[in-house]
Amino acid sequence: SQTIHQWPATLVQPVGSPLSLECTVEGTSNPNLYWYRQAAGRGLQLLFYSVGIGQISSEVPQNLSASRPQDRQFILSSKKLLLSDSGFYLCAWSVRSAGVREQFFGPGTRLTVL
Amino acid sequence: GDSVTQMEGPVTLSEEAFLTINCTYTATGYPSLFWYVQYPGEGLQLLLKATKADDKGSNKGFEATYRKETTSFHLEKGSVQVSDSAVYFCALSGWTGNQFYFGTGTSLTVIP
Repeated sequence: SQTIHQWPATLVQPVGSPLSLECTVEGTSNPNLYWYRQAAGRGLQLLFYSVGIGQISSEVPQNLSASRPQDRQFILSSKKLLLSDSGFYLCAWSVRSAGVREQFFGPGTRLTVL
Repeated sequence: GDSVTQMEGPVTLSEEAFLTINCTYTATGYPSLFWYVQYPGEGLQLLLKATKADDKGSNKGFEATYRKETTSFHLEKGSVQVSDSAVYFCALSGWTGNQFYFGTGTSLTVIP
């Protein structure tokens, strides 16, 4: 069966520090991969998605970047964190099955920028 | 573009009450529709789905019917439990299937 891992689970970082969040998927190949951010009590904001290795689509201009160095690995990075980067970061994957593309989420990373 | 509009919360119900959370969508082509549930501090879990008009998705006592004529996918449950307290998201997968569009979420609290 497929599983998705995200780490770390929680992170507290000072303003101006770098960031690296990692997401890996097991049990599937060539998935679409996604990074979302969820501010406290708010909905989901799509940050990036990827349909293949090295292919990244950015949905929102910001100081974040994403990379996909391997088929089932998706990394979210920042060179200098802002206070507004605090939130709950969710990685997700999807594959097409029986003509339908379903999306599945990881457990999330809670990031607090101080 | 594609979008989802979801009933604003928060919703507070007594245990065993009937639940309806409204969801309408705008999309080109024939989207697939989903409901996700998010418990505090966790990621989203797929609750149910429907892939074509008049399909009914169901899981754990929850149901939703894909209504193309009204572009709706309302979530219902006949008798809610305290354990159903969570945030519920309506979503669609567009024609290309690469992007998913989510509603803003509806917070449900069930009190004993």
